[in-house]
Amino acid sequence: GENVEQHPSTLSVQEGDSAVIKCTYSDSASNYFPWYKQELGKRPQLIIDIRSNVGEKKDQRIAVTLNKTAKHFSLHITETQPEDSAVYFCAASKPGSQGNLIFGKGTKLSVKP
Amino acid sequence: DSGVTQTPKHLITATGQRVTLRCSPRSGDLSVYWYQQSLDQGLQFLIQYYNGEERAKGNILERFSAQQFPDLHSELNLSSLELGDSALYFCASSVKTSGVTGELFFGEGSRLTVL
Repeated sequence: GENVEQHPSTLSVQEGDSAVIKCTYSDSASNYFPWYKQELGKRPQLIIDIRSNVGEKKDQRIAVTLNKTAKHFSLHITETQPEDSAVYFCAASKPGSQGNLIFGKGTKLSVKP
Repeated sequence: DSGVTQTPKHLITATGQRVTLRCSPRSGDLSVYWYQQSLDQGLQFLIQYYNGEERAKGNILERFSAQQFPDLHSELNLSSLELGDSALYFCASSVKTSGVTGELFFGEGSRLTVL
């Protein structure tokens, strides 16, 4: 089945710097790649997603890129703020999987003021 | 507030016991997913139901079972509990039918502690 690897497991940046989190997936049939943010003690929430027919998607300070050939996708956060501190999970899903997502193990992002 | 309700929020029990976790999906959502979150293990997919029927199974132990009722709420039953079952159990729902995958809306989770 699908396997999603995520790196790094922890990331510390200064406020205002950029942060990049990378994920690789194993199943070339996967076509949906969301990113979820989980603040401490809270539920995961979708922040951005990308489908396999698109190479890049932006939403304000957040962007996701997808390289289907290499089977990896990345989350880019620019001008980081302390409130960006959280655990970020990437995930992958493929057609016929009934929508269930296979998640990476998460990246704990700390933004230092 | 995601609209997904999970009860109980916290549960402490002993090894060998059985517990039931309950989930009410967002109004109108037909799919319910159960995920287990352990320390350093991310979100492990357990099982999915769609409109009362099991649709997909992940890494769910035989000691665990689930069902979705006609009113679309779902229950996850965990039996013969072991220390390693201690985790945060999330329920999520989506509108998804047989079409394109979309956003999962997570509940606040049920934290299970097995002593």
